[in-house]
Parts: sequence; C-alpha cells; structure tokens
Amino acid sequence: AQKVTQAQTEISVVEKEDVTLDCVYETRDTTYYLFWYKQPPSGELVFLIRRNSFDEQNEISGRYSWNFQKSTSSFNFTITASQVVDSAVYFCALSEVYTGNQFYFGTGTSLTVIP
Amino acid sequence: DADVTQTPRNRITKTGKRIMLECSQTKGHDRMYWYRQDPGLGLRLIYYSFDVKDINKGEISDGYSVSRQAQAKFSLSLESAIPNQTALYFCATSDTYGTGLDEQFFGPGTRLTVL
Repeated sequence: AQKVTQAQTEISVVEKEDVTLDCVYETRDTTYYLFWYKQPPSGELVFLIRRNSFDEQNEISGRYSWNFQKSTSSFNFTITASQVVDSAVYFCALSEVYTGNQFYFGTGTSLTVIP
Repeated sequence: DADVTQTPRNRITKTGKRIMLECSQTKGHDRMYWYRQDPGLGLRLIYYSFDVKDINKGEISDGYSVSRQAQAKFSLSLESAIPNQTALYFCATSDTYGTGLDEQFFGPGTRLTVL
C-alpha cells in the first residue's frame, strides 16, 4: 500500500492564483516526520519543510504555508499568489522511526503556473 | 562546491553492461541513500546505509548492488543493465537521528539510459 498519496498528478493555475497541493499519508508509528520537496525543471530536489508528528502547528513561510492535520493524516501545501517560478513537481514524503527512518515519497504533483 | 555530488551526470549504455554510479558528500553525514525516479512513480528507495558497516535493501533493490567505501562515498552498481533500469538516479544524505530527523540532502541526479 502506498504510504504517501498525492492524488493530484498535474495542476495548472494562472499566475497569482492560490493553489493547494494535497498529501495524505499512512502510518502506524506515533513518531514520524513529514517533508515537502520541490523539483524544478532543472531536476534537483529542494527541501521545503519538515514537520514532526508531535507538532501540528501550521507554518507559513512567505507565500508558502503548510496545514498538518493528524486527524485526517494530511499534510497539505498551499502556495499563495502563485508565480511562474513555482512551476515544478512537488513531492511529499514520510519518514517513520520504526522503519529505520526510511523515506517514503509520494508520486508527486506537477504544478504549472501559467503567466 | 556542491555538498553531494554524483558522477556521471548522464550515461548511455547497452543492455548487459556493468555500470557504476558514484556519490560523494562533504556534509559529514553518516546516512546515505540511493533512489530512482521514474515518471509518475516518484522516488523509490534502492539501498540505504546508516554507516560504513550498515547497508540495507530498500523497496527495489533487485538488480542493484552498493558499496560504501567510506563515510563520504556510496556507489551504486548495475551488474547487468537492462532497459527498464533507465531512470533518473539520486543519491541523498542525512544526519544521524539524535534530537530529531534531518531532511535528506540530494545530489543533482544521474540520468541513465539503457539501450
């Protein structure tokens, strides 16, 4: 079974629109970590955020915000006022302590921001 | 200079050939990982190593082998390459688990094509 599900394969928005990327995870562990990475067209993987299972406080960083809800096993990512430079593939990932901190990545959401 | 480097960056080879992909890091991290990325499948873990003497199979280790020559070096080998091993390969590192789990830092990737 997929531990991390990113149901949105591709999303297109017009510049300045807000967009939310969904991430649903599955784990039996009580201690785990969630991550978001960005992969721009150049191909590298860029770390965006880390959140542990004991910290449900939402976080905002500039135009980026993350909503972590343990009750629904979701860790959604919102980009406010999207820009063309936000066009990339975004990956959500889960790391569990009981599996030795292996990373499990979702299949990614490809975001295209249209000028 | 990049903290995590991979060589080669691109490689085209033929079915049946032995291929080695190399990864070096200057971050001083104990943990190193090899992933492959295929369109629509996200990143999947091939092998991981928590230190020089600790190497573990990941989700898709068949057809691959690894060598951890030193803390800073982790090589991935395809003993007899086949076309369905055509993919983008990433090396990653992370710090040891202490007060928390650090994110994984990724190399730039190696694009491998097996004809």
